[in-house]
Amino acid sequence: QKEVEQNSGPLSVPEGAIASLNCTYSDRVSQSFFWYRQYSGKSPELIMSIYSNGDKEDGRFTAQLNKASQYVSLLIRDSQPSDSATYLCAVIVGPTGGGNKLTFGTGTQLKVEL
Amino acid sequence: GAVVSQHPSWVICKSGTSVKIECRSLDFQATTMFWYRQFPKQSLMLMATSNEGSKATYEQGVEKDKFLINHASLTLSTLTVTSAHPEDSSFYICSAVTADQPQHFGDGTRLSIL
Repeated sequence: QKEVEQNSGPLSVPEGAIASLNCTYSDRVSQSFFWYRQYSGKSPELIMSIYSNGDKEDGRFTAQLNKASQYVSLLIRDSQPSDSATYLCAVIVGPTGGGNKLTFGTGTQLKVEL
Repeated sequence: GAVVSQHPSWVICKSGTSVKIECRSLDFQATTMFWYRQFPKQSLMLMATSNEGSKATYEQGVEKDKFLINHASLTLSTLTVTSAHPEDSSFYICSAVTADQPQHFGDGTRLSIL
């Protein structure tokens, strides 16, 4: 089992819809979770970080964390064509303070269609 | 805030050449810097973790004599690809982190070995 798993997609949503991106992780004691956006040919850009169970909202983005289910998700409301990118889920595997070493999922490609 | 500069952004060179890539944290002191490699349509693969003033920690399968990492200050780490060959062609990305803050990535260096 991979440490961080994501559906590779592509996930296609119409403009204005909600895009839902999902990620599961295997290490139950992980405490820190991140979503990065990566445009083709570019480096990753931090979108959200989340450390506690529940929802965290930032503009059109909402991260959701459920540690009991070992599941983290990213919702993008009012999706725009500019949101089309690969979204990487990243986890600091193990307890916090483990040197900030990230383990990445393979990424989900999101396509927002006009 | 949290700006990471990476230079050069693009390198094309002949096989056998050594190439140095710089990673700088511009507005913060990075306790740790990370070096990643990304092949087309794949996720980021961590190559090594670099802490200022100490030897880098390499991931399994990464040749430390081929990928030399120097972290001379809290704002600068360098990766030197020695005697580069076409199979070393890839997208190399650094990131920097301080304390328990999320990793922020440089813009990446696209290395092409002819």
